[in-house]
Amino acid sequence: GESVGLHLPTLSVQEGDNSIINCAYSNSASDYFIWYKQESGKGPQFIIDIRSNMDKRQGQRVTVLLNKTVKHLSLQIAATQPGDSAVYFCAENGAGNQFYFGTGTSLTVIP
Amino acid sequence: DAGITQSPRHKVTETGTPVTLRCHQTENHRYMYWYRQDPGHGLRLIHYSYGVKDTDKGEVSDGYSVSRSKTEDFLLTLESATSSQTSVYFCAISDKGARDYGYTFGSGTRLTVV
Repeated sequence: GESVGLHLPTLSVQEGDNSIINCAYSNSASDYFIWYKQESGKGPQFIIDIRSNMDKRQGQRVTVLLNKTVKHLSLQIAATQPGDSAVYFCAENGAGNQFYFGTGTSLTVIP
Repeated sequence: DAGITQSPRHKVTETGTPVTLRCHQTENHRYMYWYRQDPGHGLRLIHYSYGVKDTDKGEVSDGYSVSRSKTEDFLLTLESATSSQTSVYFCAISDKGARDYGYTFGSGTRLTVV
């Protein structure tokens, strides 16, 4: 099966600092990646996506970087706010027209 | 979440009883999915549907069955609930599978089997 993992299960940052969440993926054939945010008691929400023909994509306060050489994905959150506290996980579109999800990193923002 | 509703939101049931969870969408999306989410495992696919009456198994399908008689409804049934099926269940929908846009998730159903 697919394997999508995260380097750090938990991350604590000071409010206003930048956050970086990492993800390793295993399927070199995956060509579409998504970052999701999941707040306590809620379903995952789409944050940002990137296709394999790109190295970087920016959204509002978030940036996703893709390094296909080492099969690594990262999510950068600028000026982290208390509302950013959540679990973040990446997904890759592996075999069978499905997404495969990582286990998640819990981000805590310290006021 | 707009366009996708799961019911019930919470359920406690006894071991050995049948349980049905419902996912309803108003987006007319082709694909629908059932996932379970457990600590340390992330989201694991149980079953999915790629059209009315078209379903297939995911990686953790044992003990679960699904049905999709209408585009908007996808039912997940635990024929005889076991304690190992205590979990949070998420339904997701997609217009094009894993090619574009990703999935939209429901708010989840927390199921406890006692």
